[in-house]
Amino acid sequence: GAVVSQHPSRVICKSGTSVKIECRSLDFQATTMFWYRQFPKQSLMLMATSNEGSKATYEQGVEKDKFLINHASLTLSTLTVTSAHPEDSSFYICSAGVSKNTIYFGEGSWLTVV
Amino acid sequence: QKEVEQNSGPLSVPEGAIASLNCTYSDRGSQSFFWYRQYSGKSPELIMFIYSNGDKEDGRFTAQLNKASQYVSLLIRDSQPSDSATYLCAVNKQGGSEKLVFGKGTKLTVNP
Repeated sequence: GAVVSQHPSRVICKSGTSVKIECRSLDFQATTMFWYRQFPKQSLMLMATSNEGSKATYEQGVEKDKFLINHASLTLSTLTVTSAHPEDSSFYICSAGVSKNTIYFGEGSWLTVV
Repeated sequence: QKEVEQNSGPLSVPEGAIASLNCTYSDRGSQSFFWYRQYSGKSPELIMFIYSNGDKEDGRFTAQLNKASQYVSLLIRDSQPSDSATYLCAVNKQGGSEKLVFGKGTKLTVNP
């Protein structure tokens, strides 16, 4: 079964609204989780590192005010896409490591902004 | 130079053949190297990781690492149609962290 769970798997939202995606580690605690984005036929691009109890670390070019990350507990990180636009439509995936060499991905969340 | 490079393919092999997937990386500080399989529209699944020079075998899969050449490969023996997917090579960013940098992936098709 999945060790990292994401919800929702698919979401459609209207342009200008916000949408929240949850990432949960199952049966293990994750002080750090990672959020990736994948556009069609492209590879995964790291967006940010979610740190439990502290601010997220964003990769260069990722707007921290647009992609809000909250890691309020050792098993849950959330990504909120604020004021979503059609160009934000993508596959968002989180990951967490049981160990540094055993890194699992959530099922992914398809976001469509209309 | 891109951090992780893969031949995007597509790579097509007949059922039962050996599929060979290659990856090069630029950061000599990378410590661990991963192969993930991604089916269309799905999240990546971990196949295996390797961190020592040489070969590592797991069932039909063998990962090979050559740090001097900054090269890592994945061999799939007795390829099956169900192996048809995109294979992603990833390396640890910043040495030993869980932050991964991915290649673009190689699309593999195994023909029955």
